[in-house]
Amino acid sequence: EAQVTQNPRYLITVTGKKLTVTCSQNMNHEYMSWYRQDPGLGLRQIYYSMNVEVTDKGDVPEGYKVSRKEKRNFPLILESPSPNQTSLYFCASSLQGLAGVADTQYFGPGTRLTVL
Amino acid sequence: ILNVEQSPQSLHVQEGDSTNFTCSFPSSNFYALHWYRWETAKSPEALFVMTLNGDEKKKGRISATLNTKEGYSYLYIKGSQPEDSATYLCASGTWTNAGKSTFGDGTTLTVKP
Repeated sequence: EAQVTQNPRYLITVTGKKLTVTCSQNMNHEYMSWYRQDPGLGLRQIYYSMNVEVTDKGDVPEGYKVSRKEKRNFPLILESPSPNQTSLYFCASSLQGLAGVADTQYFGPGTRLTVL
Repeated sequence: ILNVEQSPQSLHVQEGDSTNFTCSFPSSNFYALHWYRWETAKSPEALFVMTLNGDEKKKGRISATLNTKEGYSYLYIKGSQPEDSATYLCASGTWTNAGKSTFGDGTTLTVKP
């Protein structure tokens, strides 16, 4: 089944404890992206990648890192999480990296993160 | 317009009513406009992606139009059903940064039986 998977789906952690949220897609998509969603707001883009080893900042990259060492995986790293990073996180992918956001994006199931 | 704006923020209609929402986006360097449907406890699901001025897309009872010169898109739902209840998000991108996607805050539709 073609899908985007994220792990974990739920995570409660404490301030300063490094964590990684994994994202994997099995559709051979070139473009991948991370978003966060907060109450009353739409999705805000954190980072995106148009191909392997190519990553760039979205609108809210502070406090996050990403890497794209292989096409299928795009992990989101929080080196020192803080309470203001408590949010719902979505990973998404689309087929053509060069097309950027002109391609349909497929979203993962979401990861709900709470930082105490 | 510098950001992507959606109106109204929420909408309550009766089953069978037709309705429409607006997405306003920066027209300068326009690249693409997406509409997504997002049900509670699920992931956003793509409805349409539009790139050309005057584009009209349709999927069942839902359709969308695009005006890139004035920077707006309309989403129409004909004969709303309770299962149409969801938040509808739009997102736009520009040629100057083709990988960057800016979302509006969404329109939450509630359809009462």
